Amino acid sequence: SSELTQDPAVSVALGQTVRITCQGDSLRSYYASWYQQKPGQAPVLVIYGKNNRPSGIPDRFSGSSSGNTASLTITGAQAEDEADYYCNSRDSSGNHPWVFGGGTKLTVL
Amino acid sequence: QVQLVQSGSELKKPGASVKVSCKASGYTFTSYAMNWVRQAPGQGLEWMGWINTNTGNPTYAQGFTGRFVFSLDTSVSTAYLQISSLKAEDTAVYYCARETVWFGDHEIVQGLFDYWGQGTLVTVSS
Repeated sequence: SSELTQDPAVSVALGQTVRITCQGDSLRSYYASWYQQKPGQAPVLVIYGKNNRPSGIPDRFSGSSSGNTASLTITGAQAEDEADYYCNSRDSSGNHPWVFGGGTKLTVL
Repeated sequence: QVQLVQSGSELKKPGASVKVSCKASGYTFTSYAMNWVRQAPGQGLEWMGWINTNTGNPTYAQGFTGRFVFSLDTSVSTAYLQISSLKAEDTAVYYCARETVWFGDHEIVQGLFDYWGQGTLVTVSS
């Protein structure tokens, strides 16, 4: 089981705003990073740290954190944002450095 | 440009071994750690471990000790994942991912997987 907990599925109407969350004890001390994965493709880093986007990631993607919860927000969701989203951070169990959340499937209606 | 190119799909019988390669280009191979991530069919991402590309020292996540071996050939900028005594439950896509650290004005972020290979499907079936 993952040390980072995500909702399995979230939906959003086209053009609306959606927040995808990730909960875990390690998030009280470490930032989460967020990855987008479309079917048949490798994951892509979309948000890291407090709220940073790699080059080429649209500014409708943003990140935030409070307590043990990290959030990925998509403001004005587009059809091409439909994908699986995974958070990643330190593993609070101490068994190994990194762990992924279980993933959230985002559906854009 | 940075690229990680993995070897092609494999079909193996239970009990056999497989070696997946991940060839890096566009950067200094020994300057970044290489991580391995597994994704079983229809499942999420699972961090398997990493290898220090300077020393060759591997670290394995729980559940990936014993039958899984990470190795390097720095002369050709390539990382390898070898799985022995294959089982049906090893059927998955295996990704290599470069790990970097980002230094911001007031924050340091570790464990960023900024470049990924395209994935290698390993199918274990009799």
